Amino acid sequence: GENVEQHPSTLSVQEGDSAVIKCTYSDSASNYFPWYKQELGKRPQLIIDIRSNVGEKKDQRIAVTLNKTAKHFSLHITETQPEDSAVYFCAATSGFQKLVFGTGTRLLVSP
Amino acid sequence: GAVVSQHPSRVICKSGTSVKIECRSLDFQATTMFWYRQFPKKSLMLMATSNEGSKATYEQGVEKDKFLINHASLTLSTLTVTSAHPEDSSFYICSASHPLGTDTQYFGPGTRLTVL
Repeated sequence: GENVEQHPSTLSVQEGDSAVIKCTYSDSASNYFPWYKQELGKRPQLIIDIRSNVGEKKDQRIAVTLNKTAKHFSLHITETQPEDSAVYFCAATSGFQKLVFGTGTRLLVSP
Repeated sequence: GAVVSQHPSRVICKSGTSVKIECRSLDFQATTMFWYRQFPKKSLMLMATSNEGSKATYEQGVEKDKFLINHASLTLSTLTVTSAHPEDSSFYICSASHPLGTDTQYFGPGTRLTVL
């Protein structure tokens, strides 16, 4: 089955810096890769996603890149703000509509 | 659009009792819903896939007799934790996929279960 690894587990940046979180997956059949942001005690919120027929997608300060050959994808946040502080999870599809999540990255943006 | 609700938001129960958690899709019909479990500072672990009108598909290691799932309508799936024990204490989150067939999952707000 699918296995998703995520790094780093924690990431501390200064406000205004960029943050990059990386994930690798094992199943070459995976074709959908969402990123979720989760604040403490809250539901995961979809922030961006990418499908396997696209190499890069951007939405304002957030971008995701996908390298199907290497089976890895990354989340890029530019001009970070304190409200970006949260836990971020990557995920990849495993079978029909099932998602396998990475272990999460705790992002802390200091003012 | 694509709003998922969950009830209750938190529940405290005594060991040995059963607890039912409801997951509803409010503005769309969800043929497939998913149940996850999340321990503190951990990732989301899929427990089972719930399909309307059919039996749920459980992930390896999840006891189907302990975690009963019913998906009786296109907008409601329920998870019943039977004979709950302290080790069942966790954050349970449901999600629903949109019927247009995309892979996007929309999550409920979660239920914090504490078993005393």
